[in-house]
Amino acid sequence: NAGVTQTPKFQVLKTGQSMTLQCAQDMNHNSMYWYRQDPGMGLRLIYYSASEGTTDKGEVPNGYNVSRLNKREFSLRLESAAPSQTSVYFCASSDTAGVGNQPQHFGDGTRLSIL
Amino acid sequence: AQSVSQHNHHVILSEAASLELGCNYSYGGTVNLFWYVQYPGQHLQLLLKYFSGDPLVKGIKGFEAEFIKSKFSFNLRKPSVQWSDTAEYFCAAISGGSYIPTFGRGTSLIVHP
Repeated sequence: NAGVTQTPKFQVLKTGQSMTLQCAQDMNHNSMYWYRQDPGMGLRLIYYSASEGTTDKGEVPNGYNVSRLNKREFSLRLESAAPSQTSVYFCASSDTAGVGNQPQHFGDGTRLSIL
Repeated sequence: AQSVSQHNHHVILSEAASLELGCNYSYGGTVNLFWYVQYPGQHLQLLLKYFSGDPLVKGIKGFEAEFIKSKFSFNLRKPSVQWSDTAEYFCAAISGGSYIPTFGRGTSLIVHP
């Protein structure tokens, strides 16, 4: 019953360093998403992937790249980390067979601090 | 663009008090609505959802929500809160034909024992 698995859970980076956040889901969902959560801002969509091989920008894509490696995995990359990217990052997936009436399933989050 | 508003940013209640958290959405067409809960240090979990049928939806842990189309609202209610309901609550909406949700900014609920 793993659901959505994110790694790492915590990370501290220095400004300018790069890193990749990993996400995998075992529910055979078509769609996957990356969000960032900041105090008072709720969840903001960074990128999403409707299906394997496709990715699209969300509300706040600047400074990030994504890869939908296969149906299970969707990674988020910070090429040159900035302090403004300090946040909690959540990966989510959903079954879009019913279009918009399916809920999202979230991972446990990655707490990222950039010094 | 669709938006979701949660007017109560912080709510503090005593145990056994009744709860109502407001949620309004802007989209005028078909809409699917969700409430999620995030307990401290955890990920978001689905509380309940509405996409058709009875506008009064019952979810887990005694929560319910009522869809009022004329008011573009989907308020979350619980008759008697418990200390364990302390969490952040998010309303989300997906407009018809889409699968991308728009989330509200969340409401932080603190329940004092």
